[in-house]
Amino acid sequence: GQQLNQSPQSMFIQEGEDVSMNCTSSSIFNTWLWYKQDPGEGPVLLIALYKAGELTSNGRLTAQFGITRKDSFLNISASIPSDVGIYFCAGYTQTYNQGGKLIFGQGTELSVKP
Amino acid sequence: DGGITQSPKYLFRKEGQNVTLSCEQNLNHDAMYWYRQDPGQGLRLIYYSQIVNDFQKGDIAEGYSVSREKKESFPLTVTSAQKNPTAFYLCATQGVLSYNEQFFGPGTRLTVL
Repeated sequence: GQQLNQSPQSMFIQEGEDVSMNCTSSSIFNTWLWYKQDPGEGPVLLIALYKAGELTSNGRLTAQFGITRKDSFLNISASIPSDVGIYFCAGYTQTYNQGGKLIFGQGTELSVKP
Repeated sequence: DGGITQSPKYLFRKEGQNVTLSCEQNLNHDAMYWYRQDPGQGLRLIYYSQIVNDFQKGDIAEGYSVSREKKESFPLTVTSAQKNPTAFYLCATQGVLSYNEQFFGPGTRLTVL
């Protein structure tokens, strides 16, 4: 089936540093979503991207929809301790007769040292 | 208070028992989804439903069953046929106007002893 490769798997950074993570696929998606998950909780939507080349910001977060529609990246600037968590990318795919569904990356676990 | 409710938060069952996880939403969203999450892996789709009284298998449907009798509710039954049921289960919804965005409930952690 379709797969998303998300990297890096984990990151250990100092507070104040910038962070970058990305997702790549062999398949084309028409929507890319980025979620954050705190331990023991459900993922929360951070940014949604709908058009190839689109660059969208949400506070200190910036994400881009790759021009080939097969990749996306997420940047976090000036990280703070509350950025700790697991970040997931997800690509939306539409099937002919069964509606749409999301394909998720494996997640990037972010740790921030004060 | 709008949102998605999953209950209970923690669930323990003995091996060989069926167990049903609850998912309720008052967002008036048409589509509902069940995902399974294991450590170090992304979310994997179990079942989804685009409309009442209809649902489709996801990527890992074996050992699970669902029903969609009401728009607000999409319960998931983990049967004894599921070989590795211990996991974190997440329910999500998507509305017609949500532009492919899915919103998640708080999850249920199932432990089979």
